[in-house]
Amino acid sequence: KAGVTQTPRYLIKTRGQQVTLSCSPISGHRSVSWYQQTPGQGLQFLFEYFSETQRNKGNFPGRFSGRQFSNSRSEMNVSTLELGDSALYLCASSRDASSYNEQFFGPGTRLTVL
Amino acid sequence: DQQVKQNSPSLSVQEGRISILNCDYTNSMFDYFLWYKKYPAEGPTFLISISSIKDKNEDGRFTVFLNKSAKHLSLHIVPSQPGDSAVYFCAARPYNNNDMRFGAGTRLTVKP
Repeated sequence: KAGVTQTPRYLIKTRGQQVTLSCSPISGHRSVSWYQQTPGQGLQFLFEYFSETQRNKGNFPGRFSGRQFSNSRSEMNVSTLELGDSALYLCASSRDASSYNEQFFGPGTRLTVL
Repeated sequence: DQQVKQNSPSLSVQEGRISILNCDYTNSMFDYFLWYKKYPAEGPTFLISISSIKDKNEDGRFTVFLNKSAKHLSLHIVPSQPGDSAVYFCAARPYNNNDMRFGAGTRLTVKP
């Protein structure tokens, strides 16, 4: 069974630009969550999508948004990039959004904002 | 608001000995706890989990212990192997919500 895949793996953007990251969950998984990892803040929850609906949202500004498609693939968008958005963005999938199901992570997208 | 804390940034043990990684949490709504292992430039890899109805879960060399009254959990690795060297993250969430909160991580080094 293929794992969680994320594209692209590396991205370099400049301040003010926008970026879209993509995540394909494990087959059969309907919940997709996004996390940001930085050296200073660690791993922080961005949001979760289930059945094309955002179920939970972390404490990030509105510049961070996402969506989920009917095949459970998800995209995350960051608009008006700031230097502080440089981070490893991780996507995780699980069977559903309830009960004791572990989340499986993709390799991440390393975003550098210059 | 650090709801999950790993107070030891690093731990060094000798190969073959026991590694004990600790984690504390503050949110009483958490009832599902997970440990992940992470290598540089990779996503976290799920290791083991425990629900609040249990106080111990074992999987091979890995055992997680949960003390709900103390809001404390620990991961025991026995025997430790050099390949276990990585950063270990403790994570917690309510059972019906995938908003998972992570600790800051503990870097484990297992010396041959």
